[in-house]
Amino acid sequence: GAVVSQHPSRVICKSGTSVKIECRSLDFQATTMFWYRQFPKQSLMLMATSNEGSKATYEQGVEKDKFLINHASLTLSTLTVTSAHPEDSSFYICSARGQEASYEQYFGPGTRLTVT
Amino acid sequence: AQSVTQPDIHITVSEGASLELRCNYSYGATPYLFWYVQSPGQGLQLLLKYFSGDTLVQGIKGFEAEFKRSQSSFNLRKPSVHWSDAAEYFCAAEMDSSYKLIFGSGTRLLVRP
Repeated sequence: GAVVSQHPSRVICKSGTSVKIECRSLDFQATTMFWYRQFPKQSLMLMATSNEGSKATYEQGVEKDKFLINHASLTLSTLTVTSAHPEDSSFYICSARGQEASYEQYFGPGTRLTVT
Repeated sequence: AQSVTQPDIHITVSEGASLELRCNYSYGATPYLFWYVQSPGQGLQLLLKYFSGDTLVQGIKGFEAEFKRSQSSFNLRKPSVHWSDAAEYFCAAEMDSSYKLIFGSGTRLLVRP
């Protein structure tokens, strides 16, 4: 089956610093990748959709200058949380969709970000 | 507005008992429907999906779901729950050609020994 990885799985950073999270599709080409945020004991909220070679499309209320998304290749998308603050602490999950019409998104294992 | 509703926040069942998790959607047409399971601190695993055709869908780990257009529902069922099924379950729908998934709020399943 299709595998999506995320790195790092956990990261702790100081307030004011930036942190980058990678999302990789390991065995398929992902034309579209999605970034979600999940607060404790809550559902997933879509942050943005990224298509390879295009600018990401952000959901309403998501600051694009704070959450920088790059989808430079068909197997890699990155989310950079800039000038992180404690309220950015969350579980970030990516998903990827391939070129075939399987109507399925494959999810990464998530990244736990803690901002101190 | 397009939405997915999971009315049960928590459900507790005894091991070996049957299970049904409810999911309803609000949309003018039939969306693509999914059930995912999430263990603590983990990503999401797809249990099953419905696109069209047979309204009873079989998934992994002994789960099944039935799509009922008249009720705008896609309830997840399992005839006999195992302790390892304890997790968070999310229903999701893709309601347009944007490929975006709208998630329900999730149902936490607890399994009594």
